[in-house]
Amino acid sequence: DAGVTQSPTHLIKTRGQHVTLRCSPISGHKSVSWYQQVLGQGPQFIFQYYEKEERGRGNFPDRFSARQFPNYSSELNVNALLLGDSALYLCASSPTGGSYNEQFFGPGTRLTVL
Amino acid sequence: GQNIDQPTEMTATEGAIVQINCTYQTSGFNGLFWYQQHAGEAPTFLSYNVLDGLEEKGRFSSFLSRSKGYSYLLLKELQMKDSASYLCAPLYGQNFVFGPGTRLSVLP
Repeated sequence: DAGVTQSPTHLIKTRGQHVTLRCSPISGHKSVSWYQQVLGQGPQFIFQYYEKEERGRGNFPDRFSARQFPNYSSELNVNALLLGDSALYLCASSPTGGSYNEQFFGPGTRLTVL
Repeated sequence: GQNIDQPTEMTATEGAIVQINCTYQTSGFNGLFWYQQHAGEAPTFLSYNVLDGLEEKGRFSSFLSRSKGYSYLLLKELQMKDSASYLCAPLYGQNFVFGPGTRLSVLP
């Protein structure tokens, strides 16, 4: 069975640009969460979506937005990129949006902002 | 924030036992996960505790004390492949908050 997939694997952008990251959850999973992981730190929660609705939002500026599609895949959009947005962006899926959620992580997208 | 505290780095010898501690704020706490993350890879699930006590799964065990805001991950019979970062992740509401991670180096 395919795990969580993310695209692209790597991405290089310049300050001020916009980026869209994509995630496909494990088949049958309806919840997708996004995390930002800066080198040497733990992942920081950005968003959770369940059944196409936002279920949670971390402490990130409005430049960060996301959505979930009817097939449960998801996009994370970041506008007006800053150097500090350089990080590994992880997507995780889980079967439901309930309080106990073993999350299955994708391989991540490595974003470099120059 | 939830003030999640873990040691930054630990070193142990192959075949030994190591305990990685984690403390966190108890307000709004719903349970605690441990994840393993090898360098350059995504985190993978190790364990989940919601009640006080010890959960054992093969060479790995995880302990939780809800009243003390304390958990530990115990790794037995260490192998070289256990060299990785170990992330403590308390659940608040329906969202994880990951700790900074403990980088474990297993030496021959």
